[in-house]
Amino acid sequence: GNSVTQMEGPVTLSEEAFLTINCTYTATGYPSLFWYVQYPGEGLQLLLKATKADDKGSNKGFEATYRKETTSFHLEKGSVQVSDSAVYFCALRGNYGQNFVFGPGTRLSVLP
Amino acid sequence: GAVVSQHPSRVICKSGTSVKIECRSLDFQATTMFWYRQFPKQSLMLMATSNEGSKATYEQGVEKDKFLINHASLTLSTLTVTSAHPEDSSFYICSAQDRGNTEAFFGQGTRLTVV
Repeated sequence: GNSVTQMEGPVTLSEEAFLTINCTYTATGYPSLFWYVQYPGEGLQLLLKATKADDKGSNKGFEATYRKETTSFHLEKGSVQVSDSAVYFCALRGNYGQNFVFGPGTRLSVLP
Repeated sequence: GAVVSQHPSRVICKSGTSVKIECRSLDFQATTMFWYRQFPKQSLMLMATSNEGSKATYEQGVEKDKFLINHASLTLSTLTVTSAHPEDSSFYICSAQDRGNTEAFFGQGTRLTVV
């Protein structure tokens, strides 16, 4: 079945540092890939998505590129802020309307 | 973007009572809704998938008689935790999507505490 693996945290960075959170997936066909962010005590918010190979999703300075050859969708940001502190989930959805499959989540803490 | 409203955001109940959680899509028709459970510092675990007008499909290990799901309209799904016990305490999140949309929209989540 489909699965998502992502680096487990916690990840602690200083403000303005470079962020990478690795995500790899296993799926049949051509899934859509997502990054969701969860702030403390809240639900999930879509951060960015990519629906086909080589697509780059971007939002709020975050980027991720759909790499089919490496089955990866790594999240990057050039300069993190304290307000980026949250849990980040990599997720996929199969191309037949199936439910989402989530990675374990990576907790990011950004220190001033 | 589309909005999904989940209510209540927090609830505390006594053991043995039932609790109902509502999930509403505010500006689109949700043909499919998903209910997830999230344990502390863990990922989301899918509990069940419901399509409007039909019975929910439960994931393996989820008790359908304990977690009652109703998806009576295209904008509302409810999850009722029946005869709640302390081990049911958790964060429950719903998500909704419309037909043909690759994206699902999430509610704010409900923190259930059973005492």
